Amino acid sequence: QKEVEQDPGPLSVPEGAIVSLNCTYSNSAFQYFMWYRQYSRKGPELLMYTYSSGNKEDGRFTAQVDKSSKYISLFIRDSQPSDSATYLCAFYTGRRALTFGSGTRLQVQP
Amino acid sequence: DAGVIQSPRHEVTEMGQEVTLRCKPISGHDYLFWYRQTMMRGLELLIYFNNNVPIDDSGMPEDRFSAKMPNASFSTLKIQPSEPRDSAVYFCASIRDNPTGELFFGEGSRLTVL
Repeated sequence: QKEVEQDPGPLSVPEGAIVSLNCTYSNSAFQYFMWYRQYSRKGPELLMYTYSSGNKEDGRFTAQVDKSSKYISLFIRDSQPSDSATYLCAFYTGRRALTFGSGTRLQVQP
Repeated sequence: DAGVIQSPRHEVTEMGQEVTLRCKPISGHDYLFWYRQTMMRGLELLIYFNNNVPIDDSGMPEDRFSAKMPNASFSTLKIQPSEPRDSAVYFCASIRDNPTGELFFGEGSRLTVL
């Protein structure tokens, strides 16, 4: 079993749609849960991070963590063409090195 | 404030040649990471340094790969000899010592080995 599972997509949605991106994980030692966004031909950049189970909201983005199910989600409301990118979930045990999902490619059609 | 700087951005080489990728981390960051990204395997950690000392190199694929960090502002990743399966985007990232784990990535070095 892989440590992190993430659907690679691609996921294509119309502008204005609500997008749901998900990852499952198996390592109980993961303490911090993050979402990175990677535009084409660029390095990943941190979008959101959270420590505890529950929801964290930042503008149009909501990160959700369910530690009991080992499942994290990222919701994007009112999606825009500028949200088109690859979204990678990432996990941190405190060992200073992140474990990344393989990424989900999102395309928002205008 | 300059971000993580990598060079070259693109490298095309022939099998058997030596490849050297370079990275300048953000000033003041204590940790430096080398990741490799491919379609098949996603983003994989190769090695990371803390205060210029290699901490974990268990992700380095084989002896053909080596990494050094001679000082706080420079690191290299070397592949010798290179093989077509080494074709990937290699990212360098750095972080200040903090518990949240926010990595700052460079723009990557895209390597193609023919």
